[in-house]
Amino acid sequence: DGGITQSPKYLFRKEGQNVTLSCEQNLNHDAMYWYRQDPGQGLRLIYYSQIVNDFQKGDIAEGYSVSREKKESFPLTVTSAQKNPTAFYLCASSMADNQPQHFGDGTRLSIL
Amino acid sequence: RKEVEQDPGPFNVPEGATVAFNCTYSNSASQSFFWYRQDCRKEPKLLMSVYSSGNEDGRFTAQLNRASQYISLLIRDSKLSDSATYLCVVNWAGNNRKLIWGLGTSLAVNP
Repeated sequence: DGGITQSPKYLFRKEGQNVTLSCEQNLNHDAMYWYRQDPGQGLRLIYYSQIVNDFQKGDIAEGYSVSREKKESFPLTVTSAQKNPTAFYLCASSMADNQPQHFGDGTRLSIL
Repeated sequence: RKEVEQDPGPFNVPEGATVAFNCTYSNSASQSFFWYRQDCRKEPKLLMSVYSSGNEDGRFTAQLNRASQYISLLIRDSKLSDSATYLCVVNWAGNNRKLIWGLGTSLAVNP
């Protein structure tokens, strides 16, 4: 079955800790995205990648980092510099940047 | 003007009703338009793309009005399972091409 897999489903971060959220897709999509959604809020773009080994900052990139070493994978690291990391994190992919995006189930991150 | 704007609602309608949502966008060069639905605490799911000539998928009809820069979604014969938040999505045609997400319109279909 083709799709996007995010893990873990729930994640807890301690003060000063970096955590990494996994996102893998087997849809053969070139473009991948990371969004953050806060309760009652819209989706905000953190980072996106249109091709392997290349990525761009979105609207709220501070405190986050990404890599795109393989087409299938686009992990997101929430660093200790992100002071308010509690949110619902969504990974998406699409064939191209103006095509519909398909989402994983999301990761809920909370602070311990 | 916001890049993509939606009435947050909530829209409360009885089962079987017809309900319509509008979404306005600011970038006249936008070419791609979509409607997604998002259930509480779940990921957004693509409902339908919106084509220039309008398109229909069962009980759902999407329209595009380029002159007034809005898209619409019409739901006929509402079901309880249609209760969700409906997100309007528009591509941002420019150097930094990406999709712009509306904040969503909340729909509650009541028995």
